[in-house]
Amino acid sequence: TQTVSQSDAHVTVFEGDSVELRCNYSYGGSIYLSWYIQHHGRGLQFLLKYYSGNPVVQGVNGFEAEFSKSDSSFHLRKASVHWSDSAVYFCAVSVNTGNYKYVFGAGTRLKVIA
Amino acid sequence: NSKVIQTPRYLVKGQGQKAKMRCIPEKGHPVVFWYQQNKNNEFKFLINFQNQEVLQQIDMTEKRFSAECPSNSPCSLEIQSSEAGDSALYLCASSLYLGGDYAEQFFGPGTRLTVL
Repeated sequence: TQTVSQSDAHVTVFEGDSVELRCNYSYGGSIYLSWYIQHHGRGLQFLLKYYSGNPVVQGVNGFEAEFSKSDSSFHLRKASVHWSDSAVYFCAVSVNTGNYKYVFGAGTRLKVIA
Repeated sequence: NSKVIQTPRYLVKGQGQKAKMRCIPEKGHPVVFWYQQNKNNEFKFLINFQNQEVLQQIDMTEKRFSAECPSNSPCSLEIQSSEAGDSALYLCASSLYLGGDYAEQFFGPGTRLTVL
């Protein structure tokens, strides 16, 4: 059974700061990694994914993430945050077999102070 | 931006009542997932479909929950007899492929169910 860990429940930064949101997973096989953003009361918006190839992937709105097999990690980064980035961020892992369901981390609530 | 449509956005039911919600996946997406997100932001996979066929569903959905994705009609998730513990945000997601490099799931806005 795969698990996803987001070690920081809350992160607070100032507008213009850089930020890294951490995601670690446990699974040794072929997996699919994604990040989603959820604004209050809304559904999940896709940010980016990694399946294969270049371990650094670019997503929407200036987000990027880096896959590390050795660290079992897929951390999300942004060089300069905007107040509108305030939301809950979820890391999701799916195994490339079986029912392909997502397993989500507990989420990291990012607060950007203007 | 996702083009998955979910209706209604809010649903209020009494205990024991039926609760039905609908989902229109993105055009051309044959794969549909349903998840339940509780107030603690914990997600639970409920069921998924490829075209009109059920791929897998958890035990919970085998008992009080029913779901279908008929051809040329919205997908639906129905709770036969709602319980207080069913209060949650129900998210529908669709994807183009099942597995592989383009299997990202696109989510709708969700249906927030409150069971009084």
